[in-house]
Parts: sequence; structure tokens; C-alpha cells
Amino acid sequence: EAQVTQNPRYLITVTGKKLTVTCSQNMNHEYMSWYRQDPGLGLRQIYYSMNVEVTDKGDVPEGYKVSRKEKRNFPLILESPSPNQTSLYFCASKLQQVSYEQYFGPGTRLTVT
Amino acid sequence: DQQVKQNSPSLSVQEGRISILNCDYTNSMFDYFLWYKKYPAEGPTFLISISSIKDKNEDGRFTVFLNKSAKHLSLHIVPSQPGDSAVYFCAALLGVDKLIFGTGTRLQVFP
Repeated sequence: EAQVTQNPRYLITVTGKKLTVTCSQNMNHEYMSWYRQDPGLGLRQIYYSMNVEVTDKGDVPEGYKVSRKEKRNFPLILESPSPNQTSLYFCASKLQQVSYEQYFGPGTRLTVT
Repeated sequence: DQQVKQNSPSLSVQEGRISILNCDYTNSMFDYFLWYKKYPAEGPTFLISISSIKDKNEDGRFTVFLNKSAKHLSLHIVPSQPGDSAVYFCAALLGVDKLIFGTGTRLQVFP
């Protein structure tokens, strides 16, 4: 089944404790991205990657890191999480940079206390 | 500054009737518009799209209308079904990398 998977689905952590949210797609998509969803703000792009080893900042990149060492994986790293990073995170992928339709993972709900 | 706005946070419609979800945007450079549907505990799923050079696109029960002069698009669902109950996000594509989402409208279809 073609899909985007994220782990963990739920995470509660404390301020300053480094964490990684994994994202993997099995559709051989070149383009992957991360979004966060907050009440009243919709989904906002954090980072995106056009292909292996090519990443760029989205609208809200502060406090996040990403890497794209393999085509299928695009982990989101929070080196020192803060309470304002409490949010619902979505990973997405699309076939190519010029494609329109993105496929989203199921989401990761992160709480930072 | 919200470039894509969905001013109705919720909408309630009777089964069989038409649902109309609205979206306004401010940037005339948007190339493409998409609607996504989201059920609880799932990621958004693509529903329908429209190019900025068209004014209508239809797919089964779903039709999207684009009024460029008014910077307005709408999603029509007819007839509405209980399974359509979800949050609907309007999104606009700027270039190839920037997908800007609205805040969503929660649609409830009741019997």
C-alpha cells in the first residue's frame, strides 16, 4: 500500500530533550516536506526537500532541523524542544517538485512541557 | 498575514443538500489551488484542484469554482453525504515549493 508513515504518533516530552520524528514514504517520491498544524493557523510548512541531500526552509523553520540522506526518509529533529513547539506535525511527499498533489502522513501530536 | 482565508470555521448541512465551502486569497501570483479533506486522527487527503487559468473543475460530486477577479474559490459538494463530514482545507500553490493552507472549515452533514 502506497503510504507515508510517521513515528511516533504521539509524544510527550520535556523542554530541552532532543527528539526525532521519523517520516518514511514508499512511493519513490522525490519531494518531501514537514508541516505543523496549530489552531487558527492552518498548516504551515517547516522544511522541505526536493531530493536526497537537498533541503530548504519553509515558513517556520526556527527550532527544527531536517536531513535527507535517503530518498524514502525525511526525519524532523528538534534539538532543544520548547513549549511553543507543541503542535500536530505532518510529513508529506509528492512525486516531484513540480507535482501538485501531496500525500500526507497520519500526523504526530507532540506536547512539550 | 494569512494569505489564504477560510472565514467559516464550521458548516452544518443536511444530507442530500449542497455544501458550499468558501476560500479567499490575497496573492494574485498563486498558480494552483487545491482542496484537502481531513478526518480526525488522519492526515489531509487530496480532494480536487484547479489551475489559476480555469474557472471550474468538476469531479463527481465535487466541483471547485475559481473567481480570479474576486480572489475567491469555492468547493461545492452535491449531494452531501454523512461520510463527507470532515475538516476541509483550501490551499494555494505559489511556484512549485510553497503550499499555503487556509485554517480549515469543519463540515458536518447530518441525516
